[in-house]
Amino acid sequence: GQSLEQPSEVTAVEGAIVQINCTYQTSGFYGLSWYQQHDGGAPTFLSYNGLDGLEETGRFSSFLSRSDSYGYLLLQELQMKDSASYFCAVYTGTASKLTFGTGTRLQVTL
Amino acid sequence: SQTIHQWPATLVQPVGSPLSLECTVEGTSNPNLYWYRQAAGRGLQLLFYSVGIGQISSEVPQNLSASRPQDRQFILSSKKLLLSDSGFYLCAWSKPGGWAQHFGDGTRLSIL
Repeated sequence: GQSLEQPSEVTAVEGAIVQINCTYQTSGFYGLSWYQQHDGGAPTFLSYNGLDGLEETGRFSSFLSRSDSYGYLLLQELQMKDSASYFCAVYTGTASKLTFGTGTRLQVTL
Repeated sequence: SQTIHQWPATLVQPVGSPLSLECTVEGTSNPNLYWYRQAAGRGLQLLFYSVGIGQISSEVPQNLSASRPQDRQFILSSKKLLLSDSGFYLCAWSKPGGWAQHFGDGTRLSIL
């Protein structure tokens, strides 16, 4: 089976940096993805880590350590529009299937 | 560019009624297709996926079924809806071998 753990809620101030952690237990691991979902909306793809290390895309970065079965999403220069739920998801390669974590609700405050 | 269409956006159905949700993808060929359900405030549960026409894999035994009659069309069905079928249903596609999934806008299904 597959299981992913991430914090349920995180609160941060506008302009700050926040890190959302994800630990996983899985078989057939290919990589770790991150998705953003605003209330009432559909998830949108943010990043993918297939190899250990840091991937940077603008204000967002994602990190993976395969040996620790651990990854994180780093959001810098937080903006109010970043308030959303963030999901880590394990990519197993089979039919490009994803197993999603339960999500972290990020609230950005003034 | 590729687009995914999912309809209807909202649906209210009585218990015991049938269901048909449709999803179509444009701008790509032979996509992998997926149906997810999301309960309020929860993560996404993969229901079905398909790697080709007529090829359906079920992830969770339940009251639902899926079909892929055409390359870029994916349909989620039920013969008799249960109260527990309420939720937010999302269709998604990916390129074969790709790691990014792209989601439709979803259907919010309420069962009365």
